[in-house]
Amino acid sequence: DAGVIQSPRHEVTEMGQEVTLRCKPISGHNSLFWYRQTMMRGLELLIYFNNNVPIDDSGMPEDRFSAKMPNASFSTLKIQPSEPRDSAVYFCASYPLGVPTNEQFFGPGTRLTVL
Amino acid sequence: RKEVEQDPGPFNVPEGATVAFNCTYSNSASQSFFWYRQDCRKEPKLLMSVYSSGNEDGRFTAQLNRASQYISLLIRDSKLSDSATYLCVVTPKIRDTGRRALTFGSGTRLQVQP
Repeated sequence: DAGVIQSPRHEVTEMGQEVTLRCKPISGHNSLFWYRQTMMRGLELLIYFNNNVPIDDSGMPEDRFSAKMPNASFSTLKIQPSEPRDSAVYFCASYPLGVPTNEQFFGPGTRLTVL
Repeated sequence: RKEVEQDPGPFNVPEGATVAFNCTYSNSASQSFFWYRQDCRKEPKLLMSVYSSGNEDGRFTAQLNRASQYISLLIRDSKLSDSATYLCVVTPKIRDTGRRALTFGSGTRLQVQP
């Protein structure tokens, strides 16, 4: 089975540009999470969805960040305009609701560099 | 104060050594506890869950002390392949159908040396 798929794997952009990160969760997983990881702050939750509905977006840094999940198999995280302090690794993770599992499955991450 | 606190390390130990990591959490409502492992430039992966009675998986033993809000991970007979960052993870509730997000510690880096 394919795991969580993220694209692109690496993104280098200039300050002020729009950045869109994409995630495809594992088929059948209806809970999806976006995390950001930096050396300074570690792994932080940005937002999560249950059944395509945003449940908690309190971790989204500011209005420049937005996330959508138009269907069960796709989510985007958009940064507009991007700033150098947004440079980080962005992880998407998924797991199935209603199943007694403890494991959250992470994608390989998108390494974002904003110059 | 961070919700989940860990010593960042690094812990440099020789092969075969026993090493222990500790973690404290601030939210007394936390109900589920885990250790995740993250290799350099890779995604985190579940290592093991942590139960009040303690649990063991091969060379790895995890303990939870709810009264002290403290979690530990013990690795016996360290291998070179154990070198990684170990993330302490808590979540407030996991039994209902509304999954809660994980709260991660900043991780403890382990380097096992030959």
